[in-house]
Amino acid sequence: NAGVTQTPKFRVLKTGQSMTLLCAQDMNHEYMYWYRQDPGMGLRLIHYSVGEGTTAKGEVPDGYNVSRLKKQNFLLGLESAAPSQTSVYFCASTHGVEQFFGPGTRLTVL
Amino acid sequence: DQQVKQNSPSLSVQEGRISILNCDYTNSMFDYFLWYKKYPAEGPTFLISISSIKDKNEDGRFTVFLNKSAKHLSLHIVPSQPGDSAVYFCAAKGRGGADGLTFGKGTHLIIQP
Repeated sequence: NAGVTQTPKFRVLKTGQSMTLLCAQDMNHEYMYWYRQDPGMGLRLIHYSVGEGTTAKGEVPDGYNVSRLKKQNFLLGLESAAPSQTSVYFCASTHGVEQFFGPGTRLTVL
Repeated sequence: DQQVKQNSPSLSVQEGRISILNCDYTNSMFDYFLWYKKYPAEGPTFLISISSIKDKNEDGRFTVFLNKSAKHLSLHIVPSQPGDSAVYFCAAKGRGGADGLTFGKGTHLIIQP
């Protein structure tokens, strides 16, 4: 089992560019999450999904969109990247309490 | 307003001794509390959790204590080992089945040889 995987691992964008981060899990979990971590901060919830075709906003959703077309995949999109979105992005999945995290995507917006 | 607080950014402990990491919370509706360990350039790894109806949970070298009246929990690591050097995050989960986790800012634990 690969667990939770994230693509890409690193990315540099210019302000105004768009991109999509991909998260995949092979544990058949219903719930999936996107978090961001900034220096000296804990992880903050961006969006989450309780099942295929459903999404909901978390604590810091502005500037991001998500989609869950397949149960095993959860996509995070940035339509027009801003320097404030420079961060490390983590995806997680769970079937209960404990969340399993991917290795992260380090995104820099210039 | 931070709902989960870890007031010690770093902690240095000698190998073989006990490490105690602390966490405070403000929201009495949290249902579970979790501890995660994180190495640089990796995702957080689950360590141990405790339900809000318990006051202690133990797993090998790791024990978590919950004091609901004080809204305080602590993680004890005994004995501390060099591989325990990492950032430790305290996290809390609400009562909804799909609720995301609310994280503290983390404590960097350094185990000295």
